[in-house]
Amino acid sequence: QVQLVQSGAEVRKLGASVKVSCKASDYIFPKSDITWVRQAPGQGLEWMGWISGKTGDTSYAQKFRGRISMTTDTFTRTAFMELRSLRSDDTAIVYCALQREDGYSHDWGQGTLVTVSS
Amino acid sequence: DIQLTQSPSFLSASVGVGVTITCRASQGISTYLAWYQQKPGKAPKLLIYGASTLQSGVPSRFSGSGSGTEFTLTISNLQPEDFATYYCQQLNSYPITFGQGTRLDIK
Repeated sequence: QVQLVQSGAEVRKLGASVKVSCKASDYIFPKSDITWVRQAPGQGLEWMGWISGKTGDTSYAQKFRGRISMTTDTFTRTAFMELRSLRSDDTAIVYCALQREDGYSHDWGQGTLVTVSS
Repeated sequence: DIQLTQSPSFLSASVGVGVTITCRASQGISTYLAWYQQKPGKAPKLLIYGASTLQSGVPSRFSGSGSGTEFTLTISNLQPEDFATYYCQQLNSYPITFGQGTRLDIK
């Protein structure tokens, strides 16, 4: 089982950007991909997007396109998710998850709380 | 986008009984469906994938079935640690989507 450790809680102003990291305990690239999911306070799970650990290809949820970027660093075993032009409704816990070759997210990070304030 | 509708949204049950949660997809997704358990303050935990394959380490009282548009998660002999929120997720096509969740409370 791979452990995913995410960066700490972040507080940002409206319109700012945030970059969350997700470091794996093992060499997960290129055989695995990373999915990012978020959860607003008291709400359900929302898929944000996916990045291929092999090619760097990405797929983003429509609502984030144009203000989200996902990257990976094979050497440091770390994935990153940057969200720009933050709005108040971006306040949420963001999770990274390891998507194995079968396509499913077997291992999850502990979550990073992103708070957007005015 | 493929919509997933879970029922019920809330469920109250006693320890020792069995419960079933249903997830309906707005279009066919073959068996590209997963079930997650989430407890307060914790990350989701994968229980079932491929609609019916039990994740390693998950107790056998959890089972999943279905294909196409209708899926079920069954928990038999409920244990105190099973009271949580459960989500289905489809991976048939992008964007990946989740059901709205089913909260299982202890009666």
